[in-house]
Amino acid sequence: GQQLNQSPQSMFIQEGEDVSMNCTSSSIFNTWLWYKQDPGEGPVLLIALYKAGELTSNGRLTAQFGITRKDSFLNISASIPSDVGIYFCAGQLRTSYDKVIFGPGTSLSVIP
Amino acid sequence: KAGVTQTPRYLIKTRGQQVTLSCSPISGHRSVSWYQQTPGQGLQFLFEYFSETQRNKGNFPGRFSGRQFSNSRSEMNVSTLELGDSALYLCASAYSGTGMIAGELFFGEGSRLTVL
Repeated sequence: GQQLNQSPQSMFIQEGEDVSMNCTSSSIFNTWLWYKQDPGEGPVLLIALYKAGELTSNGRLTAQFGITRKDSFLNISASIPSDVGIYFCAGQLRTSYDKVIFGPGTSLSVIP
Repeated sequence: KAGVTQTPRYLIKTRGQQVTLSCSPISGHRSVSWYQQTPGQGLQFLFEYFSETQRNKGNFPGRFSGRQFSNSRSEMNVSTLELGDSALYLCASAYSGTGMIAGELFFGEGSRLTVL
């Protein structure tokens, strides 16, 4: 079945540093999504991307929909302690009514 | 607006037993999806229900089943539990209609199942 690969698997960074993580797939996706999960809670949508090449920002977060439609990346600038959590990429293959498939996640730790 | 509510939050079962988990979506949301979360595996899609019909299905064995009621509440059932079924089961609701943000899921806090 369709599978998403995320890298890195985990990151330990100093507060104030920028962070970059990415997501790849062997399949073409029509929608790319980035979610964040805080400990003990369900994931929350951060950014949604719908067009190849699209670059979208949400505060200190920036994400891009890859030109090949098989990848996406997420950047976090000037990290802060509350950025700690697991970041998941996700996608929908065709329509907006397709199942949302999630990657394995990138665990982010921020050292104050 | 109340969020997605899942019950029970924690439960312990033994191999061979069966379990039923419940999910109440956000008011007005007609889509409910279920995911299994285990360390290192991310969120594995189980199934999605919309207006009482299964609209999408993942690659899980038939021991995993679900249903949705007319008020959009959903239940999932796992029969003949195995040790590997130990996981956090997350329910997510979505507004499936005009003006929706495609792919936006609203998750509950999950039901943590331990199989001994």
